[in-house]
Amino acid sequence: DAGVTQSPTHLIKTRGQQVTLRCSPISGHKSVSWYQQVLGQGPQFIFQYYEKEERGRGNFPDRFSARQFPNYSSELNVNALLLGDSALYLCASSLEGVRTEAFFGQGTRLTVV
Amino acid sequence: GIQVEQSPPDLILQEGANSTLRCNFSDSVNNLQWFHQNPWGQLINLFYIPSGTKQNGRLSATTVATERYSLLYISSSQTTDSGVYFCAVVRFSGGYNKLIFGAGTRLAVHP
Repeated sequence: DAGVTQSPTHLIKTRGQQVTLRCSPISGHKSVSWYQQVLGQGPQFIFQYYEKEERGRGNFPDRFSARQFPNYSSELNVNALLLGDSALYLCASSLEGVRTEAFFGQGTRLTVV
Repeated sequence: GIQVEQSPPDLILQEGANSTLRCNFSDSVNNLQWFHQNPWGQLINLFYIPSGTKQNGRLSATTVATERYSLLYISSSQTTDSGVYFCAVVRFSGGYNKLIFGAGTRLAVHP
């Protein structure tokens, strides 16, 4: 079975532009979460989606938005990019429930110049 | 919110040595996972261990939930063990669960 897949793997954008990152969860997983990892730190929670609804949001500005589709894949959108948005963006999928294991994709490395 | 502290922050080993990585957390948790992040950024699942002890080859982990810590043991280390090891906890709150990561332990294994 395929794991969590993310696209693209690398991306370079200019300040002020908008970007869309994509994630396909493991088959059968209905929950998708997004994390941002800046260099030298642990990942930080951005969003969790389940059954196309936003379940939770981390401490990120409104420039960050996401959605989940009927096939449970997800997109993360970031508007008005800042240099500080340069990071590795990770997508995780899991079954619903508290005591469930999360699995991560390989990430999208975004560089804002 | 919950604080997750990992120690040591950096670790250098000779191939074949053993090591213990520690994860302390500040409140009760519903879930705990250990990950290995490879040089390409992929987070690889090592253990899903909210409590108890598990072993997988040269790696084992123990979580003592009542005392709010978890340990990851690496025996007979190999150069391929190099990378960053993250501990992440989950506290279900507000209708959703999110992973809260520590800052990681950066391991370098030399031949």
